[in-house]
Amino acid sequence: ETAVFQTPNYHVTQVGNEVSFNCKQTLGHDTMYWYKQDSKKLLKIMFSYNNKQLIVNETVPRRFSPQSSDKAHLNLRIKSVEPEDSAVYLCASSSLRGNQDTQYFGPGTRLLVL
Amino acid sequence: GDSVTQTEGLVTLTEGLPVMLNCTYQSTYSPFLFWYVQHLNEAPKLLLKSFTDNKRPEHQGFHATLHKSSSSFHLQKSSAQLSDSALYYCARNSGGSNAKLTFGKGTKLSVKS
Repeated sequence: ETAVFQTPNYHVTQVGNEVSFNCKQTLGHDTMYWYKQDSKKLLKIMFSYNNKQLIVNETVPRRFSPQSSDKAHLNLRIKSVEPEDSAVYLCASSSLRGNQDTQYFGPGTRLLVL
Repeated sequence: GDSVTQTEGLVTLTEGLPVMLNCTYQSTYSPFLFWYVQHLNEAPKLLLKSFTDNKRPEHQGFHATLHKSSSSFHLQKSSAQLSDSALYYCARNSGGSNAKLTFGKGTKLSVKS
């Protein structure tokens, strides 16, 4: 049963455009994440938020910016996309009670930059 | 540094044969280890995770044992099924307050009849 929702499923755009992806979780978790899964299926953390506060910010280009309105929502904006941004962007959530907590993933947003 | 290594990119098996997917880690302390599975066009989901009390986690016939002496958390199953075909990620928690997961490169398991 899906509890982490992402929109859109798929987005095609051109270099230089701005895109925005949405993520919502209905699990009552207080921590949310954005991961990037590239064409080789490598999965890397980009950002994580705990109760609307940024707690992890990996080395990603400045054109990427996360936005959180409340602990159930975490959006991702890319200001001026580049070809290497083509990937699947996965949102996840967990309860930050300890290092054992499971992260639940959404279905992903597939971005194709032409 | 802290990292996770999965040596096999692709494992191809015949249905009914045993499965073993390798995972080793580097860590300066005792981490928590996880296996996530991602079926085609689906989200990754947790398959199993290590326990603090050295119990062996099991799920859907899969199991893994955390061996601190060899820094390993290999995934095993006695008999592969066609439905096990998927991408398997080993991951570790970075510890501290940020609960960041570091993933291995993933192993694609292809089970054939």
